Amino acid sequence: DGGITQSPKYLFRKEGQNVTLSCEQNLNHDAMYWYRQDPGQGLRLIYYSQIVNDFQKGDIAEGYSVSREKKESFPLTVTSAQKNPTAFYLCASNGQGGGYTFGSGTRLTVV
Amino acid sequence: EDQVTQSPEALRLQEGESSSLNCSYTVSGLRGLFWYRQDPGKGPEFLFTLYSAGEEKEKERLKATLTKKESFLHITAPKPEDSATYLCAVREGAQKLVFGQGTRLTINP
Repeated sequence: DGGITQSPKYLFRKEGQNVTLSCEQNLNHDAMYWYRQDPGQGLRLIYYSQIVNDFQKGDIAEGYSVSREKKESFPLTVTSAQKNPTAFYLCASNGQGGGYTFGSGTRLTVV
Repeated sequence: EDQVTQSPEALRLQEGESSSLNCSYTVSGLRGLFWYRQDPGKGPEFLFTLYSAGEEKEKERLKATLTKKESFLHITAPKPEDSATYLCAVREGAQKLVFGQGTRLTINP
């Protein structure tokens, strides 16, 4: 079955540590996205990529970095510069318009 | 800048009690309005896309409608399994979606 796989489901980060969230899709979609969701809030765009080796900042890119070396993969690194990283992170992909397909999310907690 | 506002923030209904959720938007040229369902701890699940005023789409107990300024998600005779957060989004530019904050719907048996 085609879809998006995010891993891990739960992730714990110590102060000053970088962590990387994985996102893999087998839908052959060109565009991929990272969103952050905080309790009681909507989704906010962190980064997006419309094609391999190219990506753009979203509305809240500070403290995050991404890469897009393969069409199937769009990993997100939460750096130590992100002062409030505790949140639910969602990866999505999109083909030729229409609705996004979302992964099941990664819950990141600072310990 | 495109904006999306959903109301109410939370809604509690009895099983079988029909109601509507609202999504108001401001966008320079609508390229699509999207409804998603999200269960706790999971990713959003796509429900509908609407493109032009007057368009309607249905799926089981849900019907989405669109005007030039807002969209409604009508829920007819809901069941407890319809409990979830419902998200509305509009397309900004070629690919980006801008989301509202969601409506948390609870259906009591």
